Amino acid sequence: DAEITQSPRHKITETGRQVTLACHQTWNHNNMFWYRQDLGHGLRLIHYSYGVQDTNKGEVSDGYSVSRSNTEDLPLTLESAASSQTSVYFCASSEWSGIPLFFGPGTRLTVL
Amino acid sequence: ELKVEQNPLFLSMQEGKNYTIYCNYSTTSDRLYWYRQDPGKSLESLFVLLSNGAVKQEGRLMASLDTKARLSTLHITAAVHDLSATYFCAVDLMDSNYQLIWGAGTKLIIKP
Repeated sequence: DAEITQSPRHKITETGRQVTLACHQTWNHNNMFWYRQDLGHGLRLIHYSYGVQDTNKGEVSDGYSVSRSNTEDLPLTLESAASSQTSVYFCASSEWSGIPLFFGPGTRLTVL
Repeated sequence: ELKVEQNPLFLSMQEGKNYTIYCNYSTTSDRLYWYRQDPGKSLESLFVLLSNGAVKQEGRLMASLDTKARLSTLHITAAVHDLSATYFCAVDLMDSNYQLIWGAGTKLIIKP
Protein backbone atom coordinates (compact mmCIF):
# COMPACT_ATOMS: atom_id res chain seq x y z
CA ASP A 1 0.00 0.00 0.00
CA ALA A 2 1.13 3.53 -0.70
CA GLU A 3 2.18 5.49 2.34
CA ILE A 4 4.06 8.49 3.65
CA THR A 5 6.75 7.96 6.27
CA GLN A 6 8.83 10.25 8.40
CA SER A 7 12.07 9.66 10.25
CA PRO A 8 13.13 9.94 12.92
CA ARG A 9 9.90 9.86 14.89
CA HIS A 10 11.54 11.50 17.88
CA LYS A 11 14.66 13.63 17.99
CA ILE A 12 16.44 15.52 20.73
CA THR A 13 19.18 17.90 19.68
CA GLU A 14 21.13 20.85 20.97
CA THR A 15 20.89 24.49 20.03
CA GLY A 16 23.03 25.32 17.03
CA ARG A 17 23.18 21.85 15.54
CA GLN A 18 22.01 21.07 12.02
CA VAL A 19 19.12 18.64 11.89
CA THR A 20 17.49 16.92 8.93
CA LEU A 21 14.04 15.37 9.07
CA ALA A 22 13.20 12.87 6.36
CA CYS A 23 9.92 12.48 4.53
CA HIS A 24 9.27 9.74 1.98
CA GLN A 25 6.03 9.07 0.12
CA THR A 26 5.12 6.26 -2.23
CA TRP A 27 1.92 7.85 -3.55
CA ASN A 28 3.83 9.38 -6.46
CA HIS A 29 2.34 12.76 -5.55
CA ASN A 30 3.87 15.87 -7.04
CA ASN A 31 2.88 18.14 -4.14
CA MET A 32 4.64 17.78 -0.80
CA PHE A 33 4.43 19.97 2.27
CA TRP A 34 6.10 20.44 5.64
CA TYR A 35 4.06 21.76 8.57
CA ARG A 36 4.82 22.37 12.18
CA GLN A 37 2.22 21.96 14.88
CA ASP A 38 2.35 23.90 18.11
CA LEU A 39 -0.29 24.11 20.79
CA GLY A 40 -2.74 26.90 20.04
CA HIS A 41 -1.43 27.52 16.51
CA GLY A 42 -2.94 24.74 14.47
CA LEU A 43 -0.67 23.81 11.59
CA ARG A 44 1.70 26.28 10.00
CA LEU A 45 3.28 25.76 6.62
CA ILE A 46 7.08 25.74 6.53
CA HIS A 47 7.98 24.81 2.95
CA TYR A 48 6.31 23.12 0.04
CA SER A 49 7.16 21.65 -3.33
CA TYR A 50 5.12 21.10 -6.48
CA GLY A 51 7.61 18.79 -8.10
CA VAL A 52 11.25 17.85 -8.58
CA GLN A 53 13.59 20.82 -8.25
CA ASP A 54 10.72 23.04 -7.10
CA THR A 55 10.66 24.45 -3.56
CA ASN A 56 8.72 27.33 -2.03
CA LYS A 57 8.65 29.13 1.28
CA GLY A 58 5.67 28.94 3.55
CA GLU A 59 4.60 31.30 6.33
CA VAL A 60 7.25 30.15 8.85
CA SER A 61 10.23 29.28 6.67
CA ASP A 62 13.00 31.18 8.51
CA GLY A 63 15.65 28.78 9.76
CA TYR A 64 14.45 25.90 7.57
CA SER A 65 15.34 24.65 4.10
CA VAL A 66 14.18 21.86 1.81
CA SER A 67 15.36 20.26 -1.40
CA ARG A 68 13.50 18.06 -3.89
CA SER A 69 15.72 15.83 -5.98
CA ASN A 70 13.09 13.17 -6.69
CA THR A 71 9.33 12.74 -6.45
CA GLU A 72 9.37 10.59 -3.31
CA ASP A 73 11.45 12.63 -0.86
CA LEU A 74 11.33 16.10 0.69
CA PRO A 75 13.86 16.37 3.53
CA LEU A 76 13.55 19.31 5.90
CA THR A 77 16.76 20.80 7.28
CA LEU A 78 17.10 23.05 10.29
CA GLU A 79 20.30 24.93 9.56
CA SER A 80 21.07 25.85 13.18
CA ALA A 81 18.47 24.51 15.57
CA ALA A 82 16.88 26.92 18.03
CA SER A 83 14.69 26.23 21.04
CA SER A 84 11.82 27.97 19.23
CA GLN A 85 11.92 25.12 16.71
CA THR A 86 10.86 22.58 19.31
CA SER A 87 7.67 21.28 17.78
CA VAL A 88 5.93 18.40 16.07
CA TYR A 89 6.66 18.32 12.35
CA PHE A 90 4.31 16.79 9.81
CA CYS A 91 5.02 16.01 6.22
CA ALA A 92 2.08 15.76 3.82
CA SER A 93 1.47 15.07 0.17
CA SER A 94 -1.31 15.42 -2.35
CA GLU A 95 -1.88 15.15 -6.07
CA TRP A 96 -3.89 18.33 -6.60
CA SER A 97 -6.12 20.91 -4.94
CA GLY A 98 -9.52 19.56 -3.95
CA ILE A 99 -8.02 16.29 -2.80
CA PRO A 100 -7.22 15.93 0.88
CA LEU A 101 -3.67 15.92 2.10
CA PHE A 102 -2.17 12.64 3.24
CA PHE A 103 -0.12 13.17 6.37
CA GLY A 104 2.89 11.34 7.68
CA PRO A 105 3.03 10.14 11.30
CA GLY A 106 4.98 13.18 12.49
CA THR A 107 8.37 13.86 14.06
CA ARG A 108 8.61 15.24 17.57
CA LEU A 109 11.69 17.47 17.74
CA THR A 110 13.09 18.85 20.97
CA VAL A 111 15.85 21.46 20.86
CA LEU A 112 17.64 21.89 24.18
CA GLU B 1 -5.14 39.17 7.42
CA LEU B 2 -6.33 35.73 6.41
CA LYS B 3 -7.89 33.96 9.36
CA VAL B 4 -9.64 30.72 10.06
CA GLU B 5 -11.37 30.71 13.41
CA GLN B 6 -12.84 27.67 15.05
CA ASN B 7 -15.14 27.69 18.01
CA PRO B 8 -15.30 26.41 20.51
CA LEU B 9 -11.64 25.54 21.00
CA PHE B 10 -12.52 23.08 23.72
CA LEU B 11 -15.71 21.13 24.18
CA SER B 12 -16.61 18.59 26.82
CA MET B 13 -19.90 16.84 26.34
CA GLN B 14 -21.84 13.80 27.39
CA GLU B 15 -22.44 10.79 25.24
CA GLY B 16 -25.74 10.92 23.40
CA LYS B 17 -25.79 14.71 23.02
CA ASN B 18 -25.67 16.74 19.83
CA TYR B 19 -23.30 19.59 19.21
CA THR B 20 -21.82 21.75 16.46
CA ILE B 21 -18.30 23.01 15.83
CA TYR B 22 -18.03 26.21 13.80
CA CYS B 23 -15.34 27.25 11.36
CA ASN B 24 -15.36 30.86 10.16
CA TYR B 25 -12.92 32.14 7.59
CA SER B 26 -12.04 35.58 6.29
CA THR B 27 -11.16 34.94 2.64
CA THR B 28 -13.14 33.95 -0.42
CA SER B 29 -13.01 30.22 -0.88
CA ASP B 30 -15.28 27.36 -1.79
CA ARG B 31 -12.95 24.60 -0.70
CA LEU B 32 -12.79 23.55 2.90
CA TYR B 33 -11.46 20.46 4.62
CA TRP B 34 -12.11 18.84 7.97
CA TYR B 35 -9.52 16.67 9.65
CA ARG B 36 -9.42 14.62 12.81
CA GLN B 37 -6.40 14.16 15.05
CA ASP B 38 -6.20 11.68 17.93
CA PRO B 39 -3.77 12.47 20.77
CA GLY B 40 -0.18 11.87 19.70
CA LYS B 41 -1.26 10.83 16.23
CA SER B 42 -1.30 12.25 12.74
CA LEU B 43 -4.15 13.98 10.94
CA GLU B 44 -6.81 12.07 9.10
CA SER B 45 -9.08 13.54 6.46
CA LEU B 46 -12.78 13.51 7.33
CA PHE B 47 -14.54 15.67 4.74
CA VAL B 48 -13.80 17.68 1.65
CA LEU B 49 -16.34 20.39 0.86
CA LEU B 50 -15.93 21.82 -2.62
CA SER B 51 -18.89 24.12 -3.25
CA ASN B 52 -21.44 26.36 -1.61
CA GLY B 53 -24.13 24.30 0.06
CA ALA B 54 -22.01 21.15 0.10
CA VAL B 55 -23.02 18.69 2.78
CA LYS B 56 -21.16 15.51 3.63
CA GLN B 57 -22.06 12.93 6.24
CA GLU B 58 -20.35 9.93 7.67
CA GLY B 59 -21.74 8.14 10.65
CA ARG B 60 -22.51 10.61 13.42
CA LEU B 61 -20.62 13.46 11.75
CA MET B 62 -22.03 15.87 9.21
CA ALA B 63 -20.19 18.79 7.66
CA SER B 64 -21.60 21.66 5.63
CA LEU B 65 -20.27 24.71 3.84
CA ASP B 66 -21.85 28.13 3.32
CA THR B 67 -19.41 30.11 1.18
CA LYS B 68 -21.47 33.29 1.28
CA ALA B 69 -21.33 33.36 5.07
CA ARG B 70 -17.76 32.00 4.98
CA LEU B 71 -18.83 29.38 7.48
CA SER B 72 -18.53 25.65 7.79
CA THR B 73 -20.07 23.53 10.50
CA LEU B 74 -19.26 20.08 11.80
CA HIS B 75 -22.28 18.61 13.52
CA ILE B 76 -22.07 15.69 15.89
CA THR B 77 -25.19 13.64 16.43
CA ALA B 78 -25.65 11.43 19.51
CA ALA B 79 -21.98 11.65 20.42
CA VAL B 80 -20.05 8.55 21.43
CA HIS B 81 -16.76 8.32 23.29
CA ASP B 82 -14.85 7.20 20.16
CA LEU B 83 -15.41 10.63 18.63
CA SER B 84 -13.16 12.22 21.24
CA ALA B 85 -10.36 13.91 19.27
CA THR B 86 -9.21 17.28 18.02
CA TYR B 87 -10.95 18.49 14.89
CA PHE B 88 -9.37 20.93 12.46
CA CYS B 89 -10.82 22.85 9.57
CA ALA B 90 -8.61 24.16 6.78
CA VAL B 91 -9.46 26.58 4.00
CA ASP B 92 -7.95 26.42 0.52
CA LEU B 93 -6.82 29.88 -0.61
CA MET B 94 -7.46 28.93 -4.24
CA ASP B 95 -5.07 31.58 -5.54
CA SER B 96 -2.19 29.15 -5.62
CA ASN B 97 -1.85 25.46 -5.66
CA TYR B 98 -3.07 24.02 -2.43
CA GLN B 99 -2.23 26.70 0.09
CA LEU B 100 -4.26 25.84 3.18
CA ILE B 101 -4.94 28.07 6.17
CA TRP B 102 -5.72 26.07 9.28
CA GLY B 103 -7.94 26.69 12.23
CA ALA B 104 -6.47 26.20 15.72
CA GLY B 105 -8.48 23.05 16.28
CA THR B 106 -11.35 22.06 18.55
CA LYS B 107 -10.52 19.57 21.26
CA LEU B 108 -13.58 17.44 21.83
CA ILE B 109 -13.95 15.25 24.91
CA ILE B 110 -16.97 13.00 25.10
CA LYS B 111 -17.67 11.55 28.49
CA PRO B 112 -19.39 8.19 28.90
